[in-house]
Amino acid sequence: AQSVSQHNHHVILSEAASLELGCNYSYGGTVNLFWYVQYPGQHLQLLLKYFSGDPLVKGIKGFEAEFIKSKFSFNLRKPSVQWSDTAEYFCAVNAYGSSNTGKLIFGQGTTLQVKP
Amino acid sequence: DAGITQSPRHKVTETGTPVTLRCHQTENHRYMYWYRQDPGHGLRLIHYSYGVKDTDKGEVSDGYSVSRSKTEDFLLTLESATSSQTSVYFCAISDRAPYQETQYFGPGTRLLVL
Repeated sequence: AQSVSQHNHHVILSEAASLELGCNYSYGGTVNLFWYVQYPGQHLQLLLKYFSGDPLVKGIKGFEAEFIKSKFSFNLRKPSVQWSDTAEYFCAVNAYGSSNTGKLIFGQGTTLQVKP
Repeated sequence: DAGITQSPRHKVTETGTPVTLRCHQTENHRYMYWYRQDPGHGLRLIHYSYGVKDTDKGEVSDGYSVSRSKTEDFLLTLESATSSQTSVYFCAISDRAPYQETQYFGPGTRLLVL
């Protein structure tokens, strides 16, 4: 079965530090890839998505992610984090052609704490 | 934000009682989903709907049923709530553009089963 793995469960950074959150998935076919963010007490919001084309995807609030097909990875990056980036981040995959076509598979989430 | 509302937003209930959660959308999207969110598990799909009266099971469907009698409403029912169903429940919608589907999430319902 397809799965998504986020290796960093809890990340603590100081403001202005750079961020990279790892996401790996297990599926060899066509994928759509997503990063969602959940601020404390709020619902999931879409940060960015990859469907096809340029593997470097830019999202809202200065976030970007790079799709590396050979590594089955879709890591999230931000060059300089702010206190307001404190949130939980979820990677999700839609694996087309699998038994899970159309069903988002989520990673476990990474909690990011940014210290002022 | 997508026009999705969930009700109630918070609920406390007792083991063995039935509970119904409602998801309402104003986007006229065909696809609707129910997820539960638990620490260490991310979000897991409970049930989904691909049209009025068309539903299917997700990864964690045991103990849950759903109904969709109108495009805009998708109901999740816990027939007899158990403590293991204490969770945060999120509804999502999408228009299922082929190979470019994006799901948008509602505000969530926090359910506590005592």
